[in-house]
Amino acid sequence: GENVEQHPSTLSVQEGDSAVIKCTYSDSASNYFPWYKQELGKGPQLIIDIRSNVGEKKDQRIAVTLNKTAKHFSLHITETQPEDSAVYFCAASMRRNNDMRFGAGTRLTVKP
Amino acid sequence: GAGVSQSPRYKVAKRGQDVALRCDPISGHVSLFWYQQALGQGPEFLTYFQNEAQLDKSGLPSDRFFAERPEGSVSTLKIQRTQQEDSAVYLCASSIEDWSSTDTQYFGPGTRLTVL
Repeated sequence: GENVEQHPSTLSVQEGDSAVIKCTYSDSASNYFPWYKQELGKGPQLIIDIRSNVGEKKDQRIAVTLNKTAKHFSLHITETQPEDSAVYFCAASMRRNNDMRFGAGTRLTVKP
Repeated sequence: GAGVSQSPRYKVAKRGQDVALRCDPISGHVSLFWYQQALGQGPEFLTYFQNEAQLDKSGLPSDRFFAERPEGSVSTLKIQRTQQEDSAVYLCASSIEDWSSTDTQYFGPGTRLTVL
């Protein structure tokens, strides 16, 4: 089955700096890659996703890149703000929804 | 509109007790998923429903875990004879499409289960 690895496990940046979180996946058939943000006591919230037919997607300060050949994808947050502090999860799945696999998460801390 | 809701938000059970966790998906969403999230880990798949049909229960850790969605909307995850290793956050998610397409999953806030 699919295996997703996520790095780093913790990341601390200064407000205004950029943050990058990287994930690798094992199954070349995976074609959907969402990123979730989870704040303390809350469920994961989708922040951006990318499908395998594109290499990059951007939404304001957030962007995701996908390298299908290398089987890795990354989340980029620019101009970080303290409210970006949370745990971020990447995930990967094939065409069926019920095989989505999550990374172990990255705890991002943005220091004011 | 309203998102996915779960109840209770917190549940403390003594070892050996049975518990029932409820999920109200977004209205009209066909697919419903249950995940287990251990402390410091990502969600792990438990089971999946398409309307009232449970199409995949491969992630349920033992036969003490049972899920149902009898009318294709609200779902209940039941854990019988709870054990300490069942302590985790149980997340419910729903998506609008069926399994034939990959679609966005929307998560509820979760139920934190603590087994003493």
